[in-house]
Amino acid sequence: EIVLTQTPGTLSLSPGERATLSCRASQSVSSNYLAWYQQKGGQAPRLLIYTASNRATGIPDRFTGRGSGTDFTLTISRLEPEDFAVYYCHQYGNSPWTFGQGTKVEMK
Amino acid sequence: EVQLVESGGALVQTGGSLRLSCAASGFTFSSYDMHWVRQATGKGLEWVSAISAAGEPHYPGSVKGRFTVSREDAKNSFYLQMTGLRVGDTAVYYCARGAGYGVSRGLDVWGQGTAVTVSS
Repeated sequence: EIVLTQTPGTLSLSPGERATLSCRASQSVSSNYLAWYQQKGGQAPRLLIYTASNRATGIPDRFTGRGSGTDFTLTISRLEPEDFAVYYCHQYGNSPWTFGQGTKVEMK
Repeated sequence: EVQLVESGGALVQTGGSLRLSCAASGFTFSSYDMHWVRQATGKGLEWVSAISAAGEPHYPGSVKGRFTVSREDAKNSFYLQMTGLRVGDTAVYYCARGAGYGVSRGLDVWGQGTAVTVSS
C-alpha cells in the first residue's frame, strides 16, 4: 500500500499569500496518477488536479500541481477567501487507492 | 447535470448489515468505474471500494470480506453491501465517479454523502 504523507498539517496564511502544500508517497505513484482535492466543512471533496498537474474543469489557474514519482506539490498562487479549506492528495495508480491525511489551510 | 445521490445510511448495531445505494444521472454510467469513499467525523478520506465499468470489484484490506460492491447499469446505480459492521465503520460514505472510457482523472464527481453510524 502506498502511504501518502502531506506536509504541513496546517498552513496559516493571509488572503493574497502563496500556499505550497506537499505530498510525499512511500513509493513511486504509477503513471503519476496523483490527484488533489479541496474540502470545505460539511461538503464533499472537489477535484482540483489530476495526473499530478492537470486542472479539473472549472478550476482557476491560481491552483497548480507539480511533481512526479514520489514528490508532489500543490501551489495556490494567491489565496482567495474561498480557498481556506482542507486539501487532500490521492493516488489512484495502485490498488488500494490511498489518500493523504490532509493539509488545512487556515486564515491567519 | 452530472449528479450522484447516495441513500441508505442509518444507525445500525455492531455486527449488523446495511446496503448503501448511489444513483447516477447526467452521464453514461455504464462507461465509468465507480467508487465508495468514507470519512469519519473530523478525520480524513478513506477509499472503501471500487467497481470497474466491466464489473470487477476492488477493496482495501480493512473491508475485504465484509463489504461487497455491485452495480446495476440498467438502473444507473451501484451499491455497497456492508456486513459485520464495526464501530470503526462509522462515517459519512460518499460515492464518486472514477475512470471513464479508459481515462483516469481521479474522482471527478462526488455525491453529497450518506451517514452510517454503528453503535455498540
